[in-house]
Amino acid sequence: RKEVEQDPGPFNVPEGATVAFNCTYSNSASQSFFWYRQDCRKEPKLLMSVYSSGNEDGRFTAQLNRASQYISLLIRDSKLSDSATYLCVVNDPSGTGTASKLTFGTGTRLQVTL
Amino acid sequence: AAGVIQSPRHLIKEKRETATLKCYPIPRHDTVYWYQQGPGQDPQFLISFYEKMQSDKGSIPDRFSAQQFSDYHSELNMSSLELGDSALYFCASSHSERYGYTFGSGTRLTVV
Repeated sequence: RKEVEQDPGPFNVPEGATVAFNCTYSNSASQSFFWYRQDCRKEPKLLMSVYSSGNEDGRFTAQLNRASQYISLLIRDSKLSDSATYLCVVNDPSGTGTASKLTFGTGTRLQVTL
Repeated sequence: AAGVIQSPRHLIKEKRETATLKCYPIPRHDTVYWYQQGPGQDPQFLISFYEKMQSDKGSIPDRFSAQQFSDYHSELNMSSLELGDSALYFCASSHSERYGYTFGSGTRLTVV
């Protein structure tokens, strides 16, 4: 079982639709949570950090449920430019070093169509 | 704003050759991470450095080594290259975990 699991994709949605991505993580000691977006053959780019209180940035809303070890991302009024792979990312503080590594989910591909 | 700089962008090497990848983190970022992303896979953690000291190791082969220098740039050295080493290699840097990690554009390594 992967440490970070995401919905299998791809999600094909029409422009203007609302789409939700879900993610679960197994390491209860994790304390930092992020959504990254990755375009084909490009680097992952930080979309949002995710906080327990939930946070919103324009059309994007992220939620964290620590008890269920569950993270979500909601995209409202989707645009063609939202087409990408969305990666759920969780820190892993179990290493020996000061800086914890990141563990990535396999990503969910989103394709927004006209 | 300054970003994480990686060089080279593309690299083609033959089997059993050696490769060196470079990463220049964002100024004042104290932590550098290296990740390997194979085709159709999620990024896999290789190694990290905090304040020029190795912080953590992931699934990094013994054929690979890395270090962070006094100017905070980092190099990933890969020897006895194998076909399976062909991948995108990303470097990321951060100052505070809470605010996320910034990735460089990556080095695409092709081993032939």
